[in-house]
Amino acid sequence: EPEVTQTPSHQVTQMGQEVILRCVPISNHLYFYWYRQILGQKVEFLVSFYNNEISEKSEIFDDQFSVERPDGSNFTLKIRSTKLEDSAMYFCASAFDSSTEAFFGQGTRLTVV
Amino acid sequence: AQSVTQPDIHITVSEGASLELRCNYSYGATPYLFWYVQSPGQGLQLLLKYFSGDTLVQGIKGFEAEFKRSQSSFNLRKPSVHWSDAAEYFCAVGRDNQGGKLIFGQGTELSVKP
Repeated sequence: EPEVTQTPSHQVTQMGQEVILRCVPISNHLYFYWYRQILGQKVEFLVSFYNNEISEKSEIFDDQFSVERPDGSNFTLKIRSTKLEDSAMYFCASAFDSSTEAFFGQGTRLTVV
Repeated sequence: AQSVTQPDIHITVSEGASLELRCNYSYGATPYLFWYVQSPGQGLQLLLKYFSGDTLVQGIKGFEAEFKRSQSSFNLRKPSVHWSDAAEYFCAVGRDNQGGKLIFGQGTELSVKP
């Protein structure tokens, strides 16, 4: 069964460092998303991406964040200068089109120290 | 504003007992509704979804949910819980009738006792 895969499963980084979280969406999907879940809090929408551009971003997704689809298979989330409060589980998701359900990856747990 | 409320943060049920997890939403139109499950160390797995049509939807692992427009609810049920059902359950609504732009509830942690 096709699945969304995320790497790494756990990343520890020092405050101020750049980090790139990687995702391989399901191959025929066209819509891509990042979500985050701070420990003990709700899963929150960060950004959606379609046709090689951001279609929507939340207020959380500030200038420190960027997304990219560098090739036909990967979808990345970059945090330029990490802060302690960026520590969270980050989920990638993909969907075939905008009106169908999204499938989530296993998540990357980011710990900023 | 759209929102999702899961009133129960933690529920404990005995194995073999029935289960109902509550979800209430706030949305102006007919929403897209979802239940996801997250086992420890795992990602979010879709249990079931409601887009339109029959208000009682069947999902995987023996789960079902019923959409009640009058109560703005989408409660998840299972007639007989198994120990492997212990996990965190998230209700979500799709913003702007989109399946990927989701507003999640706080989650309900389910514990199953033998």
